[in-house]
Order: sequence, then structure tokens, then C-alpha cells
Amino acid sequence: GESVGLHLPTLSVQEGDNSIINCAYSNSASDYFIWYKQESGKGPQFIIDIRSNMDKRQGQRVTVLLNKTVKHLSLQIAATQPGDSAVYFCAVHETAGNKLTFGGGTRVLVKP
Amino acid sequence: DVKVTQSSRYLVKRTGEKVFLECVQDMDHENMFWYRQDPGLGLRLIYFSYDVKMKEKGDIPEGYSVSREKKERFSLILESASTNQTSMYLCASQGQGYGYTFGSGTRLTVV
Repeated sequence: GESVGLHLPTLSVQEGDNSIINCAYSNSASDYFIWYKQESGKGPQFIIDIRSNMDKRQGQRVTVLLNKTVKHLSLQIAATQPGDSAVYFCAVHETAGNKLTFGGGTRVLVKP
Repeated sequence: DVKVTQSSRYLVKRTGEKVFLECVQDMDHENMFWYRQDPGLGLRLIYFSYDVKMKEKGDIPEGYSVSREKKERFSLILESASTNQTSMYLCASQGQGYGYTFGSGTRLTVV
């Protein structure tokens, strides 16, 4: 099965700085990866995804990097804003089976 | 805009009560999931369903059951609520792609 870990349970970042959130996974057969954002009292919301045939994908102020060699995934948030304060989860999909496995979450705190 | 709707945001129930958590999606998705979320434990899969009247146990099914009588509705049932079932419950659905769409969650307190 898949096990997913997150580095740094809490990340404190100054407003305007860039944030980097990391995620490690164990199954080299994983084929799809997602980052979710969960604000307090709400359900997780999709931010960005990437397939295993890519190593980088950019969205609006967010970039996901995938390093399949070391089974590592990261989310970069540019110019972090107060509205970015939330818990961020990575989720990993395996080729066999059709479920996602979620990391434990990293809390991002934006300091004004 | 696609939606997964959980019927209650907050619930308080007594120990021993039978509790129903309802989830409805309007995306015609085949697959639906129930998770519970606890501090330090992340998201844990309780039950899932890939079709009407079909259900599969997840990682922590004990004390729970589910019902999927219609494609759009997936209900989680706590047969006899206990205090260790106090948690945030999240419903999700999955369509043709791999990603999930989550509901807003139900925070259940069992007293």
C-alpha cells in the first residue's frame, strides 16, 4: 500500500515570502498527485495536481514539483498572503486501485 | 459549480444514539467516500462505494455502516454513537478523474 508523509507539521512564513511544503511518498507506481488546501472549519479544496509523466506544473501563484527518483512532491506558494493560512495536504493515487492516500497535513501560518 | 453537500455542519449526539450523516453530490459521480479527520491522525477512510448499493470497508469501519440507495447520496451511520467517534467527518466524491471533491464536513460531538 501507499504511505505518505509530510515534513514540518507547521510552517510559519512572513507575508510576501514564498512557502514550500514538502511531501514524501513510498510507492513508485503512484501515477497522480494532488495538493489540497483546508481552511479552518471547511472541507479540503483542490489546489493543483500533477501526473507522473510531468515534473513541474504551475498554477496561479502555486507550483507543484515532482521528483520521482526520490519520491518527493512539493508545493510552492509565491508571495504568501494571509488568505493562504490553512492546512495543506498532499494526496497520492496508485495505478492499482482507485483511491487516494493522504498525507497528514502541514499547517501554514502567515505572519503579517 | 460542482458540489458535495453534507447535511449538517455541527451535530451533538448522546452516547448510544443512532446517528445518520448524509452526503449528496450533484456531479453524477460513481465513487463516494467517507473519512474522519482527527488532529495528528489525518484523514482516515471509513467506507467507500463505487456504485449504487455497493459498499467497501475502508481502514477504520468498526462502529460504522453506510447506505447508498441512490447514486447521488451516500449516508454514514453510527449504529450506537460513542465518545471516541467525536470527530470531523468528511464526505468526498470522485468522477472520471482521480481527484476528489469534498464536502464542507460535519463536526460531530458525542456526549
